This record gives sequence, C-alpha cells and structure tokens, in this order.
Amino acid sequence: EIVLTQSPDTLSLSPGERATLSCRASQSVSSFLAWYQQKPGQAPRLLIYDATNRVTGIPLRFSGSGSGTDFTLTISSLEPEDSAVYYCQQRNKWPLTFGGGTKVQIK
Amino acid sequence: QVQLVESGGGVVQPGRSLRLSCAASGFTFSNYGIHWVRQAPGKGLEWVAVISYDGRTQYYGDSVKGRFTISRDNSKNTLYLEMNRLSSEDTAIYYCAKDSGYCTATSCRHMDVWGQGTTVTVSS
Repeated sequence: EIVLTQSPDTLSLSPGERATLSCRASQSVSSFLAWYQQKPGQAPRLLIYDATNRVTGIPLRFSGSGSGTDFTLTISSLEPEDSAVYYCQQRNKWPLTFGGGTKVQIK
Repeated sequence: QVQLVESGGGVVQPGRSLRLSCAASGFTFSNYGIHWVRQAPGKGLEWVAVISYDGRTQYYGDSVKGRFTISRDNSKNTLYLEMNRLSSEDTAIYYCAKDSGYCTATSCRHMDVWGQGTTVTVSS
C-alpha cells in the first residue's frame, strides 16, 4: 500500500503567520492527493482535491501544491479558527490511504 | 442540504457482529460512490471500504478484508457496513463519506461530504 508521511507532527504558530504542511508518498500518486481538515469533535472536511484544487467555499488562504511524491498544504495567514488536524489522502492506488496528520496549534 | 447520517453503533463483545447504516439525503444517492472511514480513539483516519454508485464494485482496506461487507440499497438511499468477527482493534468512530464521483473499478475521486459518525466499541 502507499504510505503517506506527514510532517511535522505538530505546528505551533501565531495568528497571521504562514503554515506549511508536508505530505510525502512512498511512491508516486500523480496529482491524486486530497487534504482534509478535522476540528475536535467534528467530522473531517475536504479542503483541497487533486493536489491543487480548492473546494468551493474554502478560504483563499488555503492552497495546495505538489505532484508525484511530495505535496504541500499552505495556510498563508493563520486565523484562530484554523486550529485543527490536517490529513492528506491518496486515491491513486487501492487501498486508499491517509497520512497520519499534522496538528496545527494557534498560539 | 446534502446530508449523511450514520446509525447502528454501540458496544459489542469481541467476536460478535454489528451492522452500521448511513442514510443519505439532499442528493441523488444512486449517482455516487460512498465510503466508510474510521477513526480509533485519539488516532488518525483509516479508510475502511468503498462501494460504487451501482453497488457492483467494492474495495476494502487490508485490516477489514474478509470480515466486513459494504452494501447499499439505492431504493432506500442507504449504505450499510456489516462487521463480523469484531475485535478491540475495530473500536472507532465510523464515518460514511460521499465520493464526488461514481467510483468505478479503476478509481474513486475524493470524499466531499461526511456524516457525523457513529461510535463502535468492542469490549467484553
């Protein structure tokens, strides 16, 4: 199966700072990678699909980049409501797999 | 609005079975693949299974293959997950999630709508 490794495990930043989250795949997933946000006690929410496509209604400060094995989710200017765990997920090969998550904490 | 509501969770003894349901509304259920994803307490997300829009194709994660069965009734807009030979490792919140496409034999797309989840606890 394709293993997705996310880093760092935790990111602690102040409001207004830029957050850069990494997702690395054990083999190429082409551009078939999505990013989800999960807040405590809530279901995950789709943010980005196919590496770079922002879902309608997701703020412009969220952007995705990358292809092949290396992907990045960038939050350009953190807001307090961005405190959450972020997961990447690939759909290139069965079984579908998720990364272990990056927790973003707002100072 | 587009909505998924899971039910059927609870406490079950190891080795026993349980069936989860996911009721869909607000969209044409028969046009989309649907996934089950689970999350053990304090852990990350684990993809469990998916079924194609017409029910003809199913895929499973390695940890549940041979024990879990995903099915759907398009006339009732409902998805199911039959779970057999449960162990403590199956303790988790189980989410159903709508795929943004049909989910064919070759691939699915992404999970664009999620339910709130139902909790399964396997314990003696």
